[in-house]
Amino acid sequence: GNSVTQMEGPVTLSEEAFLTINCTYTATGYPSLFWYVQYPGEGLQLLLKATKADDKGSNKGFEATYRKETTSFHLEKGSVQVSDSAVYFCARNTGNQFYFGTGTSLTVIP
Amino acid sequence: EAGVAQSPRYKIIEKRQSVAFWCNPISGHATLYWYQQILGQGPKLLIQFQNNGVVDDSQLPKDRFSAERLKGVDSTLKIQPAKLEDSAVYLCASSLTGGYNEQFFGPGTRLTVL
Repeated sequence: GNSVTQMEGPVTLSEEAFLTINCTYTATGYPSLFWYVQYPGEGLQLLLKATKADDKGSNKGFEATYRKETTSFHLEKGSVQVSDSAVYFCARNTGNQFYFGTGTSLTVIP
Repeated sequence: EAGVAQSPRYKIIEKRQSVAFWCNPISGHATLYWYQQILGQGPKLLIQFQNNGVVDDSQLPKDRFSAERLKGVDSTLKIQPAKLEDSAVYLCASSLTGGYNEQFFGPGTRLTVL
């Protein structure tokens, strides 16, 4: 099948802590992988993406590496800030088939 | 550059009533998507248009949901009649040409069916 599985939340971290949100996918073919972020009261925004194996997407201090051998695209940030509090969605796209994970809510406390 | 516009932002109706949502994509974007996001879940694709043609509507409940994009620009999504389980946020997104291109999302319409 085709699906995206991501770590369940909610996740609560202290400011400057290390963040990992796990994401694994199943897909036929070679999907592109994405992380979208939804800040409170706003629409989804693309955070980063990777289009082929071993690519690393990065933005705003967040990184994720496309691991074909483990079918994973885990999101990491070395030092989170209060402003990173949001819901994070992993997604994959194979051609016209676009699938999102269920989202992981992150709250960063000062 | 203006983003994806949606209206209304909020709608409350009773079950068995009808409702329509409107989306104006980013200018020049050929591909338009409608998603349903139920509370606590990720967005689920309902329908995808390429210009004014339907590319994928396999997850659209066609007995009650319909969508159109007659001139290849604006789009409307209609629910008739609504059920309680249709309560969700309806998201519209657009991309330049679809495929692997980034999708830009509108703010969504929050529908509550009582």
